[in-house]
Amino acid sequence: QLQLQESGPGLVKPSETLSLTCSVSGGSISGSDYYWAWVRQAPGRGLEWIGYLYRGDNTFYNPSLRSRVTISQDASKTYFSLKLTSVTAADTAVYFCATYDSGYFDHWGQGTLVTVSS
Amino acid sequence: EVVLTQSPDFQSVAPKEKVTITCRASQSIGTSLAWYQQKPNQSPKVLIKFASQSISGVPSRFSGSGSGTDFTLTIDSLEAEDAATYFCHQSRTLPQTFGQGTKLEIK
Repeated sequence: QLQLQESGPGLVKPSETLSLTCSVSGGSISGSDYYWAWVRQAPGRGLEWIGYLYRGDNTFYNPSLRSRVTISQDASKTYFSLKLTSVTAADTAVYFCATYDSGYFDHWGQGTLVTVSS
Repeated sequence: EVVLTQSPDFQSVAPKEKVTITCRASQSIGTSLAWYQQKPNQSPKVLIKFASQSISGVPSRFSGSGSGTDFTLTIDSLEAEDAATYFCHQSRTLPQTFGQGTKLEIK
């Protein structure tokens, strides 16, 4: 059974870069037909698709974040990462990594809260 | 961007009652719609794919219908464990988008 786990700093200063990783176990990123995704949820709010990675180097980003976001895969192919630059308080959210396949997000990490504050 | 609007935002329903949640898309998305359940401090869990297709392991009291711009999630015979927030999600066009959520309380 595929399992995902987010990790990274819980506090980031305004204007700095948010960096998170998603460790994948029970399966492999490479050669998979899954899209490897990041989704976030601001406190008390709905879900926002950030973007996803497909087959190593094909990336798709939400236009609202495209200028600031990078999703990449580690060379070991056991985790993938999210980088979001120039963060503000509006980027405070629970960040989930997830797999997307055939119309829905099926496997999810537990989520990690990132607070942007000085 | 496709905007998904759910109604109601909040609903309080007694056990064994039937619940209907609607999701309206700002443009036609065919049947590219999924429904999720999210309990507090948990990640979302998919309930329905492609508007009406069931997901293995999800109780049969959850069903979906609709196409185009209007969709419905129905929960037959509500159980206490169904207290959660429910989201719709479209994958027809990028960016993928979600509804604002419907919080379901059990009376």
